[in-house]
Amino acid sequence: DAGVTQSPTHLIKTRGQQVTLRCSPKSGHDTVSWYQQALGQGPQFIFQYYEEEERQRGNFPDRFSGHQFPNYSSELNVNALLLGDSALYLCASSTPGQGYEQYFGPGTRLTVT
Amino acid sequence: DAKTTQPPSMDCAEGRAANLPCNHSTISGNEYVYWYRQIHSQGPQYIIHGLKNNETNEMASLIITEDRKSSTLILPHATLRDTAVYYCIVRVGESTDKLIFGTGTRLQVFP
Repeated sequence: DAGVTQSPTHLIKTRGQQVTLRCSPKSGHDTVSWYQQALGQGPQFIFQYYEEEERQRGNFPDRFSGHQFPNYSSELNVNALLLGDSALYLCASSTPGQGYEQYFGPGTRLTVT
Repeated sequence: DAKTTQPPSMDCAEGRAANLPCNHSTISGNEYVYWYRQIHSQGPQYIIHGLKNNETNEMASLIITEDRKSSTLILPHATLRDTAVYYCIVRVGESTDKLIFGTGTRLQVFP
């Protein structure tokens, strides 16, 4: 039973560029949440997708957008990258009825130069 | 903002019990206490959660005070692999709602 997978593992981008990060949820899960974790900080909630729609959103600008596909996988897009967007981006999956346990992927380390 | 307060760091000898405290004095009646941990360079991992009764699973025990304003996560026999950052989170219900992380407690288990 595959857990949550994320790609790529590491990514280096230049300020002003755009980036797309990908997440495949744990088998049987239909809800995907994205978090940003800066160095030395706890993860910060970006948004959550369920049934291909954004259901909740944290305090992040519109440069951060996402998408969920019919197979429940998800993408996180960040436009006009800033140096401050350098962080570990985590994807978590869950499903109603078992939502108390969110499963996290290993994350994508994004470095903006 | 996180609704919990945790010490920034703790040490524990291998084989001894690790007791990690958490204050959540503003917890509401419908909010659960959750614990996650994050081992270096990995995603957070669910440990345990509870509402008002003490809970135990194969990983840990959770002790919640009667007034629910604080709790303690207990790792009964800490190993070197338990070295991690431990996050205490309060959250409405057993739902898929977002998790609001604080800065957690960095537990160092030493030989």
